[in-house]
Order: sequence, then structure tokens, then C-alpha cells
Amino acid sequence: DADVTQTPRNRITKTGKRIMLECSQTKGHDRMYWYRQDPGLGLRLIYYSFDVKDINKGEISDGYSVSRQAQAKFSLSLESAIPNQTALYFCATSDWGLAGVADTQYFGPGTRLTVL
Amino acid sequence: AQTVTQSQPEMSVQEAETVTLSCTYDTSESDYYLFWYKQPPSRQMILVIRQEAYKQQNATENRFSVNFQKAAKSFSLKISDSQLGDAAMYFCAYRSLYGGSQGNLIFGKGTKLSVKP
Repeated sequence: DADVTQTPRNRITKTGKRIMLECSQTKGHDRMYWYRQDPGLGLRLIYYSFDVKDINKGEISDGYSVSRQAQAKFSLSLESAIPNQTALYFCATSDWGLAGVADTQYFGPGTRLTVL
Repeated sequence: AQTVTQSQPEMSVQEAETVTLSCTYDTSESDYYLFWYKQPPSRQMILVIRQEAYKQQNATENRFSVNFQKAAKSFSLKISDSQLGDAAMYFCAYRSLYGGSQGNLIFGKGTKLSVKP
């Protein structure tokens, strides 16, 4: 079984709808991340969480919110989806490495979201 | 703020040949990590190789190696004996070791590699 899972894998929705993307991990990592990938732009960080009580905005957090329900679960919500939020969304996790330095990030399989 | 630049949007290589993908970055920090990730058509992000800035020796993983030039802020990926399965998007990424955002990855825009049989 995959260490980092995302649901759904694909979603088509309409403008104005509320959407939740879910991420679960079995790696036991404290740190979790949400990225967005657009063609030609690489991956950009939306939100990140160091633990259940510590959530931080990334580079492009406007229009998004997150919830860290447990160490293993980190959800991304689009309260009112708009077409320019059409993208590929990735969840990632990492552990605390040696001397408190964050370790390598491991990615989920991605969720392709289309907003019509 | 740190930036990562991949100047080659697309590259092509003949099967069994060698190809080098370029990456440059901008930072004022002295310690950091650099990564290459591969994204095949399945869209999964796969870690290819990583380099710690404090290490002078270039990282190597089987057919994949890097040329890390710290002074020039350059981090290129060399793929030897290219295989059809190497066809993918390749992303270069930077990670700071300091500050509240340490651990977050900053990605380049990617290079699409095609492998010709």
C-alpha cells in the first residue's frame, strides 16, 4: 500500500462549489504539505503543517484553507472553486531529520482538479 | 527569497546516450539541500537524487549523477545510458535549512525529457 494517499484522484466540479481534497499518510511523519502544479510553472506551496497545532501559509494560499485532523491527515479545501484553480494538487510529507533539519519530502499520487 | 531556474523547457536524448539537465539557483544561504525529482506520465513525484551543500562530493545514484558547483550556484543532472523509462518531467528543487520555512521545497519550472528509441 502507498505511504501517502490522496482522494479523490480526479475531480470535476463547477464554479462556486466547495471542494475538499484529502491526504493521508502512514509514514508517521509530522510535517505535511500541499502543493499546486500548473503547466510551465512547476510546483508551488499552498500550505504546510509542522504538526497538528501548527499550520502555515505558503506562497499561494489565497482561496484555499486546510485542516490537520490528525498527524496522519491533512485536508485542503476550496471554499468556492473558480476556474483558475484548475490544477494538479500534491500532498507531501517529511520527517524531522538529524539536528532538527527537515528530511526528504515524499509525495502522494496527486489529485487532478478541474473547475468548470 | 530563493529562486530556482531551469532554462531548458524541453530536452531530447537518444536511447543509451547521455544527457545533462541544467539548474541554477539563487540564495544568500551557505547551507541548503538540492534535489532532482522525476515526474513520469503517471504524474507521481519521484526523488531522483539529493545533494547537501556542505558536501563537496557530487551525489550519484546509479545512472544519475549531479555536477554541483556551489560558487556558480549550479546543480545539473546527468543521466547516463538513457532508457525509455527516463522520459519524464524533471524538477530541480531547493530547500533551506534555516528559518520558519526550513524544509519547504522551492521548485524550478521543470524540463521535459524525451527519449528516442
